[in-house]
Amino acid sequence: QQQVKQSPQSLIVQKGGISIINCAYENTAFDYFPWYQQFPGKGPALLIAIRPDVSEKKEGRFTISFNKSAKQFSLHIMDSQPGDSATYFCAASRVNRGGADGLTFGKGTHLIIQP
Amino acid sequence: DSGVTQTPKHLITATGQRVTLRCSPRSGDLSVYWYQQSLDQGLQFLIQYYNGEERAKGNILERFSAQQFPDLHSELNLSSLELGDSALYFCASSEGLANNEQFFGPGTRLTVL
Repeated sequence: QQQVKQSPQSLIVQKGGISIINCAYENTAFDYFPWYQQFPGKGPALLIAIRPDVSEKKEGRFTISFNKSAKQFSLHIMDSQPGDSATYFCAASRVNRGGADGLTFGKGTHLIIQP
Repeated sequence: DSGVTQTPKHLITATGQRVTLRCSPRSGDLSVYWYQQSLDQGLQFLIQYYNGEERAKGNILERFSAQQFPDLHSELNLSSLELGDSALYFCASSEGLANNEQFFGPGTRLTVL
């Protein structure tokens, strides 16, 4: 059972455009939603994360939009640059003082920014 | 550089063998997580340790085990290796139980022949 569904699988965007990646989750107990960026041969790097008490979080060119009722969240990359070409993963987990679960990841989106 | 270190970078071994992967968390982080990344299964959570104690288990096989030592480094032991165990193994660390910002190491690429 795939608890976090990510789309699209691959995405090509022109330089300067907006890249949008979507995720949907099933487990309503999830309360922490990060996005990771991974370059070939490297480990995933934390980009930005959101908790369900806010609907949007922005850090530089990266914005997470969160819709709790629809159980969906998305990553928007504004003014996309060739250096943003990478694989992006959404993830979800529960955070609590009794024990934080490991992250449940989506399958990833391979993003290519064309110059 | 996340501050998480993993050794070795690459490991090639044969079916049926046993290997140990090592991880040192970021300075001050008490939680260590292990993940497996493969083409067919994607990124999967295996197990978490907090300050030496096992705290959460994911899709970890019985042939796999882990531990966290008093100096907070962690080891993942993989035994009776099969071809399907070939994958990238990542360690991540975070400050503690309530802070779930996880920082990943560079990974160990395991190839089972």
